[in-house]
Amino acid sequence: DTGVSQNPRHKITKRGQNVTFRCDPISEHNRLYWYRQTLGQGPEFLTYFQNEAQLEKSRLLSDRFSAERPKGSFSTLEIQRTEQGDSAMYLCASSLGASGGATSREQFFGPGTRLTVL
Amino acid sequence: GNSVTQMEGPVTLSEEAFLTINCTYTATGYPSLFWYVQYPGEGLQLLLKATKADDKGSNKGFEATYRKETTSFHLEKGSVQVSDSAVYFCALPRGNNAGNMLTFGGGTRLMVKP
Repeated sequence: DTGVSQNPRHKITKRGQNVTFRCDPISEHNRLYWYRQTLGQGPEFLTYFQNEAQLEKSRLLSDRFSAERPKGSFSTLEIQRTEQGDSAMYLCASSLGASGGATSREQFFGPGTRLTVL
Repeated sequence: GNSVTQMEGPVTLSEEAFLTINCTYTATGYPSLFWYVQYPGEGLQLLLKATKADDKGSNKGFEATYRKETTSFHLEKGSVQVSDSAVYFCALPRGNNAGNMLTFGGGTRLMVKP
């Protein structure tokens, strides 16, 4: 399977605990995105990497959230001191990026990690 | 930044009925427009896209036409099947961003009954 994979698929944690999610993009894709989707809503952009560089972060990404892509391949999203409001589906997507500006490159999404904070 | 509004669901249809899911957008310039589909328990999949005004995207019997006059990108299918039951999202790039991050509508749940 050469699609985007995410682990774990489900995570239940207690308020105040730290959690970390992993995303493995399609191997030749240099762009990686994290989105958050709450129940009944569309995905909301969190952050974006081009290779190992984190180029943009949404205002939704509070200082309790940190994302890394150390070698330009897989990425991790960590949430510290989780709150009940963090309960959501966390989606990862990857795409090819074109140099020189915006294009309509298709983003391929993983199955998501569903986080429940008790 | 750019934004998108789509009709709320759920939409419940009988098999072989005609489907329309409305999507309107607000954008600077003429960005690409997308429809994504999310089947139960799965991630989002790109269903179709249109990259410029008057383009028609199509896939699996679904169609959508990029209409700049009405700033719309409505999704249509002539004859739905039970297997089309899913949540459909209209999307476009957030703004003039080289990273091509997307902004999504709230989603429309389609339920097709046999």
